[in-house]
Amino acid sequence: AQTVTQSQPEMSVQEAETVTLSCTYDTSESNYYLFWYKQPPSRQMILVIRQEAYKQQNATENRFSVNFQKAAKSFSLKISDSQLGDTAMYFCAFMKHVRGNDMRFGAGTRLTVKP
Amino acid sequence: DAGVTQSPTHLIKTRGQQVTLRCSPKSGHDTVSWYQQALGQGPQFIFQYYEEEERQRGNFPDRFSGHQFPNYSSELNVNALLLGDSALYLCASSFPSGPSYNEQFFGPGTRLTVL
Repeated sequence: AQTVTQSQPEMSVQEAETVTLSCTYDTSESNYYLFWYKQPPSRQMILVIRQEAYKQQNATENRFSVNFQKAAKSFSLKISDSQLGDTAMYFCAFMKHVRGNDMRFGAGTRLTVKP
Repeated sequence: DAGVTQSPTHLIKTRGQQVTLRCSPKSGHDTVSWYQQALGQGPQFIFQYYEEEERQRGNFPDRFSGHQFPNYSSELNVNALLLGDSALYLCASSFPSGPSYNEQFFGPGTRLTVL
């Protein structure tokens, strides 16, 4: 079974600074996808960034980037130039490389960006 | 383009009652997944519907059932409600046959409170 662990229940960062959220996972699969989702108080889950396990290059999306360490089964999210609107719950998720598969989520990290 | 919509937004029921939650997928999506998100936790996969059939199921009792209609919309039914069923219920849609088959789009959720 796949499990996803987020060891930081809460984090805070000053506006304009950089913060890194940690995620580890456990799987015997060789090919899979990893995701970071953002859930603001509005409750809508929004995809932040996605990484395909067979790609060695770390994914980036504007201010968001990941550090994907396949051997260590680690998938951290770095947010640069933090903005007040980044305040939200962040969930790391795993999905096997099978069409129509379900996602396994971590418990989440509550990020607060302070002015 | 309407995203994933869910109804109702909030719902209050008492123990032992039955509830039906509804979801309309994003335009062009044919697969619907349901997740339960308890307070302070990550979403847990309930089941997935494709071509009007349950394709996958998570570790949830038979009290949880669903349905998918020909227009791809879906319902989640929960019978004999327990206090522990209080949660945010998220619907996610995807198009497994398309190029972005690994991406799930989430609705805003239905907050169910069982008293």
